[in-house]
Amino acid sequence: GAVVSQHPSWVICKSGTSVKIECRSLDFQATTMFWYRQFPKQSLMLMATSNEGSKATYEQGVEKDKFLINHASLTLSTLTVTSAHPEDSSFYICSASGWQREAPYEQYFGPGTRLTVT
Amino acid sequence: GEDVEQSLFLSVREGDSSVINCTYTDSSSTYLYWYKQEPGAGLQLLTYIFSNMDMKQDQRLTVLLNKKDKHLSLRIADTQTGDSAIYFCAESMRSSYKLIFGSGTRLLVRP
Repeated sequence: GAVVSQHPSWVICKSGTSVKIECRSLDFQATTMFWYRQFPKQSLMLMATSNEGSKATYEQGVEKDKFLINHASLTLSTLTVTSAHPEDSSFYICSASGWQREAPYEQYFGPGTRLTVT
Repeated sequence: GEDVEQSLFLSVREGDSSVINCTYTDSSSTYLYWYKQEPGAGLQLLTYIFSNMDMKQDQRLTVLLNKKDKHLSLRIADTQTGDSAIYFCAESMRSSYKLIFGSGTRLLVRP
């Protein structure tokens, strides 16, 4: 149980275009979803936290208009990178948390999406 | 402030024990976690410990917590080549879902 999927697993886009990444909890209801960014050989940087039906809470330094997050249902959250630039190239990972968790405040992670902007 | 630090790299021989260390700064942390990340994949929760515990053992994994020194360690007994991965420690803030991750320790297991 507690499986989180992401789609696509990798994407290449041209500079100036927008890209949408989906995060789905497949077998549980995710009351809270998180979006992280990971640079090569570095740690995960939390970008934003979203609760179903509410606006996302962004971390300091993360542009809300650049990274649009929607959490419209208990099983789906989307991250849209608008007007992508090469510096947005990164590995984006989502996680989800809900009442089924085994460990306190446990987050279940998706496999990640590698974005390359050319 | 919130800061979690780990050594970057550890190399061990197959069959030996591995010890990965982590230090954190926020004394209000309630839970501390160890996650494993294999290449190109997301994170998998290995184990966790409540902040009022000193030790937790789960099969080959032993977690030690020194709350006074804000030091956390993960010991992997009989390390296997399949254990090669990046290991992240993380702390959760009191009454919050937010996790603060360390920089990750890359474990390489040599045959």
